[in-house]
Amino acid sequence: DAKTTQPPSMDCAEGRAANLPCNHSTISGNEYVYWYRQIHSQGPQYIIHGLKNNETNEMASLIITEDRKSSTLILPHATLRDTAVYYCIVRVGVMKTSYDKVIFGPGTSLSVIP
Amino acid sequence: GAGVSQSPSNKVTEKGKDVELRCDPISGHTALYWYRQSLGQGLEFLIYFQGNSAPDKSGLPSDRFSAERTGGSVSTLTIQRTQQEDSAVYLCASSPRDGAGKLFFGSGTQLSVL
Repeated sequence: DAKTTQPPSMDCAEGRAANLPCNHSTISGNEYVYWYRQIHSQGPQYIIHGLKNNETNEMASLIITEDRKSSTLILPHATLRDTAVYYCIVRVGVMKTSYDKVIFGPGTSLSVIP
Repeated sequence: GAGVSQSPSNKVTEKGKDVELRCDPISGHTALYWYRQSLGQGLEFLIYFQGNSAPDKSGLPSDRFSAERTGGSVSTLTIQRTQQEDSAVYLCASSPRDGAGKLFFGSGTQLSVL
């Protein structure tokens, strides 16, 4: 089973910030938070990941709470092309010598509205 | 360089026939994952390969499903005696050992069982 819970759907006005929450209350100390998105009819695309510090890249920002039990993905200026299903997953990261299976939950369907 | 390549992109078959789906991962990637996505649903983990280790087959839904990865590169997912409920998009992803745990997905194979 997925180790994360997300709202099934959200709307966001075009040009506004989209804030997508994720709960991962059972996260382990060596597990990272990863975000992917899947635009209709395409394979999922990596967005960002983090361990405990906030992270930012050209696509988004990731805010992780101090207790690491939840996080928020922020798309600062949402566009129509950001309409997609967003998946939050937790998994062991690069420091582990062997990889684990990666389980995706149902994600959040984000609709960006003109 | 080239991304993850899956073939065929579409496959229509008759109930009871066997099908083979192919995945060419990104060169040098050590981990390879197969997922199934039914219409309107999330990603269902099927199997994953990591280097020369025994694959994790815990997600395969029945003994009609099997997968191989030859030479640590190309993978084939075989479904025997296909059923209508096998109709879905089958997605493959690969991941490098030093890639911070990112998964790179192919565009998938749309399988339709009539």
